[in-house]
Amino acid sequence: DGGITQSPKYLFRKEGQNVTLSCEQNLNHDAMYWYRQDPGQGLRLIYYSQIVNDFQKGDIAEGYSVSREKKESFPLTVTSAQKNPTAFYLCASSIGGTSGASYNEQVFGPGTRLTVL
Amino acid sequence: QKEVEQNSGPLSVPEGAIASLNCTYSDRGSQSFFWYRQYSGKSPELIMSIYSNGDKEDGRFTAQLNKASQYVSLLIRDSQPSDSATYLCAVNMISFSGSARQLTFGSGTQLTVLP
Repeated sequence: DGGITQSPKYLFRKEGQNVTLSCEQNLNHDAMYWYRQDPGQGLRLIYYSQIVNDFQKGDIAEGYSVSREKKESFPLTVTSAQKNPTAFYLCASSIGGTSGASYNEQVFGPGTRLTVL
Repeated sequence: QKEVEQNSGPLSVPEGAIASLNCTYSDRGSQSFFWYRQYSGKSPELIMSIYSNGDKEDGRFTAQLNKASQYVSLLIRDSQPSDSATYLCAVNMISFSGSARQLTFGSGTQLTVLP
């Protein structure tokens, strides 16, 4: 079955630590995204990538970093510079491109819940 | 700042009734509109997409789009307790930095269907 996997499901971070969240997709999608969701709020875009070896900052990129070395993988690192990292992190993908009605239909992975101890 | 606005709710409807969820957006150039359903503790699931003015029906769900009024809605007919979830409206809008289009999400409407 095609889909998006995220690991781990739950992650605990100590103050000052960097942690990396995994996101893998086998949908053959070109575009991938990372969102953050806080309780009672919508999703906010952290980073996105439309092709391999290229990525762009979203609205709240400070304190985060990403890489896109393979089409299937888009890991997110939460650095110690992120002052309030406790949140639900969601990875998504879409067909991508810049034309066509469905290019931006995003499907989501199951999410990683990060808690700072 | 480009925005997507939804009533946060909670919205309660009796089983079998029609639930009506509304969303307004600020970017007049938006072309793609989506409704996601999110159960508590789970990730969002795409349930409807709409790209042109008018209605689009899929089973018990109908999405309605009015670009002139910058308004998109979701109707759920014959509501079931299993429809109880938070519904997120997402609109393809110019990004905060102005460099590209990206999905902007509303904060969601919490729907409860009472048995």
